[in-house]
Amino acid sequence: AQTVTQSQPEMSVQEAETVTLSCTYDTSESDYYLFWYKQPPSRQMILVIRQEAYKQQNATENRFSVNFQKAAKSFSLKISDSQLGDAAMYFCAYRRPAGGNTGKLIFGQGTTLQVKP
Amino acid sequence: GAVVSQHPSRVICKSGTSVKIECRSLDFQATTMFWYRQFPKKSLMLMATSNEGSKATYEQGVEKDKFLINHASLTLSTLTVTSAHPEDSSFYICSARPSNEKLFFGSGTQLSVL
Repeated sequence: AQTVTQSQPEMSVQEAETVTLSCTYDTSESDYYLFWYKQPPSRQMILVIRQEAYKQQNATENRFSVNFQKAAKSFSLKISDSQLGDAAMYFCAYRRPAGGNTGKLIFGQGTTLQVKP
Repeated sequence: GAVVSQHPSRVICKSGTSVKIECRSLDFQATTMFWYRQFPKKSLMLMATSNEGSKATYEQGVEKDKFLINHASLTLSTLTVTSAHPEDSSFYICSARPSNEKLFFGSGTQLSVL
């Protein structure tokens, strides 16, 4: 069975600085998707970034980028130029390739990010 | 983008009563929807996969008679918490996808059982 581990329950960063959130996963499959979701105090789940395992290039979305190390099964999220609005709980998630019921996500434990002004 | 609507956003009920939560895909058809449960400051735990026109698939440890799921149309899935007890108090979130790619989440339902 697949598992996702986030070993940092809480992180803090100074506004405008850079922070990296860690995520490791375990799977025996070669094709899959990895995600980072943000959950602000409103508790609405927001997709931050997505990575396809077959792509070697790391995904980027504006200030958000990932460091995807497939062999090490590591998928960290880097937030540059942190803003107060980035404060939230961040979840790393794994999903098997689409099709049938395989759209379900397996989430890590979450990392609460605090942004200090 | 695709929208998933979840209602109610908050519900308070007495112990022993049943509560129904609705999850609607507003601008797409969803043959599959997912129901998650989240405790405060904890991760989302998948409860079940809702399949349109067939029985839901429950995760291990989830009581299917306790958490009834109905997916009667391509745009609506419901989760009914039967004979609710205080330990059922939690945040419930549904999700659905319009294609084989992105997954969209509802805004969640906070259930409080007195």
